[in-house]
Amino acid sequence: GQQVMQIPQYQHVQEGEDFTTYCNSSTTLSNIQWYKQRPGGHPVFLIQLVKSGEVKKQKRLTFQFGEAKKNSSLHITATQTTDVGTYFCAGLTGNQFYFGTGTSLTVIP
Amino acid sequence: NAGVTQTPKFQVLKTGQSMTLQCAQDMNHNSMYWYRQDPGMGLRLIYYSASEGTTDKGEVPNGYNVSRLNKREFSLRLESAAPSQTSVYFCASLGAKDQPQHFGDGTRLSIL
Repeated sequence: GQQVMQIPQYQHVQEGEDFTTYCNSSTTLSNIQWYKQRPGGHPVFLIQLVKSGEVKKQKRLTFQFGEAKKNSSLHITATQTTDVGTYFCAGLTGNQFYFGTGTSLTVIP
Repeated sequence: NAGVTQTPKFQVLKTGQSMTLQCAQDMNHNSMYWYRQDPGMGLRLIYYSASEGTTDKGEVPNGYNVSRLNKREFSLRLESAAPSQTSVYFCASLGAKDQPQHFGDGTRLSIL
């Protein structure tokens, strides 16, 4: 069945280092969304990518959607302690969103 | 503006008991979703409703039923709770496929 794999599961970085999480889908996606979830909280929308090869930036965050619309990445430049949380991708196929397993980011001051 | 409201926030049940999780949204969204979140497994779709009057199974529907009562409300029912259903349940709504999903604060459910 449909799967969205996400790696790594955990990432510990020193404050100021960069961070990247990757998502891979077994099937072509209509679009992909990225969410951030703080401990004890609910997923909060970050961005949506729709077009093949699309790249979007939000301050220190860069999001990419692969040419085949099967993979995506989120890159954070110069992490800060406020970046702590779990980052999820969610790929849309038909009417269903398939979430990746998430990458938990810890930033060490 | 409340967004997506889930009740209750916490619940403890005994095996075999039944309960209904409530979800309401005030954004006039057509689509609503129920997910469960377990450690290391991300969010998995239980059921969704693409529009008022329709419901469809997601990835993990077994042991659950849903009702789209009206455009605002989408409830999730556990008829006979099992320990494997211990999880955090999130309801979400969506206006259109090119828009973000809006999530409620979640229901933390423990089944003993």
